Amino acid sequence: GAGVSQSPRYKVAKRGQDVALRCDPISGHVSLFWYQQALGQGPEFLTYFQNEAQLDKSGLPSDRFFAERPEGSVSTLKIQRTQQEDSAVYLCASSLAISGTASGNTIYFGEGSWLTVV
Amino acid sequence: SQKIEQNSEALNIQEGKTATLTCNYTNYSPAYLQWYRQDPGRGPVFLLLIRENEKEKRKERLKVTFDTTLKQSLFHITASQPADSATYLCAPGFQKLVFGTGTRLLVSP
Repeated sequence: GAGVSQSPRYKVAKRGQDVALRCDPISGHVSLFWYQQALGQGPEFLTYFQNEAQLDKSGLPSDRFFAERPEGSVSTLKIQRTQQEDSAVYLCASSLAISGTASGNTIYFGEGSWLTVV
Repeated sequence: SQKIEQNSEALNIQEGKTATLTCNYTNYSPAYLQWYRQDPGRGPVFLLLIRENEKEKRKERLKVTFDTTLKQSLFHITASQPADSATYLCAPGFQKLVFGTGTRLLVSP
């Protein structure tokens, strides 16, 4: 596709419900990132994939958060037993670059999935 | 822990003036620093990347400086236009980015 595509765009979940957020990165992009952005804050890193390998998941706030990218393209961020503090925009981003290279490849963000937990 | 500080107060300027936004970081020494623009309800859009060995980088009306001694980056928009109104995010780093909270810029006609 032309850009990073995320779905759903908006999701309202009842507390305790499980949610799954999907990210379609730009075709051919090796690196994929998930960020969480609370209202009025900058995006906060959650996790990073290089192809299908999850190389860094240090930002996932709890074991209720799980991300996968089984075939190295589409990724899903799953949140189990959602809580009100999970309400935020979840941004996916992709990049052609492989971590460790010195080239300044651009990171492209999607429009985000807006999650509200009620 | 890594900390990035951007002015949380909105910057209001008149059209045609130069806007200058500040980004200060502590507790690490990034080799790169990036600036992004974010409009309400949209994802961040990459603007510029500057490397630690570059003092200044320009792109059209944008200019970024990177002072690794002061641990500071300045982001300038010359001849500002109302369409430049947005939140600007600073992100030291290359791939795994740590973002500041952003500074909202409002350019009045």
